[in-house]
Amino acid sequence: RKEVEQDPGPFNVPEGATVAFNCTYSNSASQSFFWYRQDCRKEPKLLMSVYSSGNEDGRFTAQLNRASQYISLLIRDSKLSDSATYLCVVRVTDSWGKFQFGAGTQVVVTP
Amino acid sequence: DAGVTQSPTHLIKTRGQHVTLRCSPISGHKSVSWYQQVLGQGPQFIFQYYEKEERGRGNFPDRFSARQFPNYSSELNVNALLLGDSALYLCASSFGLALADTQYFGPGTRLTVL
Repeated sequence: RKEVEQDPGPFNVPEGATVAFNCTYSNSASQSFFWYRQDCRKEPKLLMSVYSSGNEDGRFTAQLNRASQYISLLIRDSKLSDSATYLCVVRVTDSWGKFQFGAGTQVVVTP
Repeated sequence: DAGVTQSPTHLIKTRGQHVTLRCSPISGHKSVSWYQQVLGQGPQFIFQYYEKEERGRGNFPDRFSARQFPNYSSELNVNALLLGDSALYLCASSFGLALADTQYFGPGTRLTVL
């Protein structure tokens, strides 16, 4: 079983719609969580950190569910520019805090 | 402020050769990590360095090695290249090792092994 799992998609989303997807992690010692965005053939860029109480950054909302060991990302009012692969990242305390990446969820926003 | 820089941007090598990739972190950042990303997968952790010491190593063969210099820049070396080493190699820097420290990625070096 992979340590961090994501639905690869693609999620095809009409412009203006809402899309949400999850990421599950297997290590209960995971302590820090992030969402990164990666455009085709580019480097990952930090989208947002995920806090225990959930957090929002503009049209993006991240939630953490420790009991079920998953984090989620919701994008409201999708823009064409939101088309990208979204990478879930987990850091664990029992492994000197290494970053573990999921394989990514592809989102395609269509006009 | 300059972000993470990597060189070269692209590289073509043949099997059995050796390659050295370079990375300069964001000014003030003391930790550098290296990742390998093959098409369709997320980045796979290779090494992390902090204050010139190796702090973590991923599940990669001994053909992969790295080091960090006093100015916090870093090199990743890969010996005896295999076709399967073809990938995007990403360098990421962070201020330190705190769990809340985020990593910022460079543009990557795209390595093709023929």
